[in-house]
Amino acid sequence: DAGVTQSPTHLIKTRGQQVTLRCSPKSGHDTVSWYQQALGQGPQFIFQYYEEEERQRGNFPDRFSGHQFPNYSSELNVNALLLGDSALYLCASSAGLAGGPPYEQYFGPGTRLTVT
Amino acid sequence: LAKTTQPISMDSYEGQEVNITCSHNNIATNDYITWYQQFPSQGPRFIIQGYKTKVTNEVASLFIPADRKSSTLSLPRVSLSDTAVYYCLVGDRGATNKLIFGTGTLLAVQP
Repeated sequence: DAGVTQSPTHLIKTRGQQVTLRCSPKSGHDTVSWYQQALGQGPQFIFQYYEEEERQRGNFPDRFSGHQFPNYSSELNVNALLLGDSALYLCASSAGLAGGPPYEQYFGPGTRLTVT
Repeated sequence: LAKTTQPISMDSYEGQEVNITCSHNNIATNDYITWYQQFPSQGPRFIIQGYKTKVTNEVASLFIPADRKSSTLSLPRVSLSDTAVYYCLVGDRGATNKLIFGTGTLLAVQP
């Protein structure tokens, strides 16, 4: 059973460009959350998707947008890249909004984005 | 949301028991305490979750005093592979909860 997968593994972009990161959730999971982790810091919540809709959003500008597909996979888009967007972008999946166990989110290995 | 405070770093040797304490003075009645582990260049991994007293699984134990203002993650007989950052989180137990991470505790295990 594959866990959470993300692509690409690494990415280098130039300031002002746009980037799309992809995530496939763990089998059986329908909720996807995205986090940004700067070097030496803990992950910061960006937003969460369930039933193809954004359900929760953290304190990130509108340059950060996302999408969830019918197969539960998700994309994170960042427009007008800034140097400060350089970070590890993590995708986490979980089993819906029912609230039952297991009460954990499963994280992928992340995409390392470098903006020059 | 309750703020958590943990040591920035800890050192240990293989075979020792390690206890990492987390302070959460403003924990709410409905809040649970959850610990995640993160290795370099990997995503965090759920370790353990509890509400009060003691919880134990195959990886660790979690001790929570009656006032719930702190908690202690206990790792028995650590090995080199336990070197990682450990995060203490406080919040709703739901799997879709927005996770609020601090800076965590970097545990360095030496031979």
